[in-house]
Amino acid sequence: GAGVSQSPSNKVTEKGKDVELRCDPISGHTALYWYRQSLGQGLEFLIYFQGNSAPDKSGLPSDRFSAERTGGSVSTLTIQRTQQEDSAVYLCASSASPGRYEQYFGPGTRLTVT
Amino acid sequence: QQQVKQSPQSLIVQKGGISIINCAYENTAFDYFPWYQQFPGKGPALLIAIRPDVSEKKEGRFTISFNKSAKQFSLHIMDSQPGDSATYFCAASASGYSTLTFGKGTMLLVSP
Repeated sequence: GAGVSQSPSNKVTEKGKDVELRCDPISGHTALYWYRQSLGQGLEFLIYFQGNSAPDKSGLPSDRFSAERTGGSVSTLTIQRTQQEDSAVYLCASSASPGRYEQYFGPGTRLTVT
Repeated sequence: QQQVKQSPQSLIVQKGGISIINCAYENTAFDYFPWYQQFPGKGPALLIAIRPDVSEKKEGRFTISFNKSAKQFSLHIMDSQPGDSATYFCAASASGYSTLTFGKGTMLLVSP
């Protein structure tokens, strides 16, 4: 079946602009996660959704970052007033349920803020 | 502390050799330890995972060794192949905790 998909694959934006990144999880997966991967760094957790609610948003680095999930499926990560330090690969993952540890990742969106 | 420390940062192994990557953790609540493989331009892919009730798990050429008392686990890649050249991440998660905590990754190069 189809895996996790993300769009766009690449995004170049000017400092100060807002961006929206989209994630389509594996069909039927109720848990969805956003991570950020910076050059030479591991994966940094941003936010976790169970259904449409976000019980854990502890990783969002500032109030410029927000995310929502609708219909228990698609999720959008929004970064307002982008800064150069926001440049990274943003990865989305999904799992069948929060009790199932296996997370399946999408290909990521590479964000470059100029 | 939720850290997972991974070493080495990079590794060069000859074809046919054994690649070994190590991770150490601090949180004794962790009870799930996966390894992910990532190729350039791709998302991480789950490779193999272990829970602390066993000391070793083997899948093909990939083996996880787990030492609960030392709070360490490692990935062994036997008969390493050039196609194994990728970045490998260890991770850990605790029951009831929703997310994975990742190590910083090891870039493996298997020379032909």
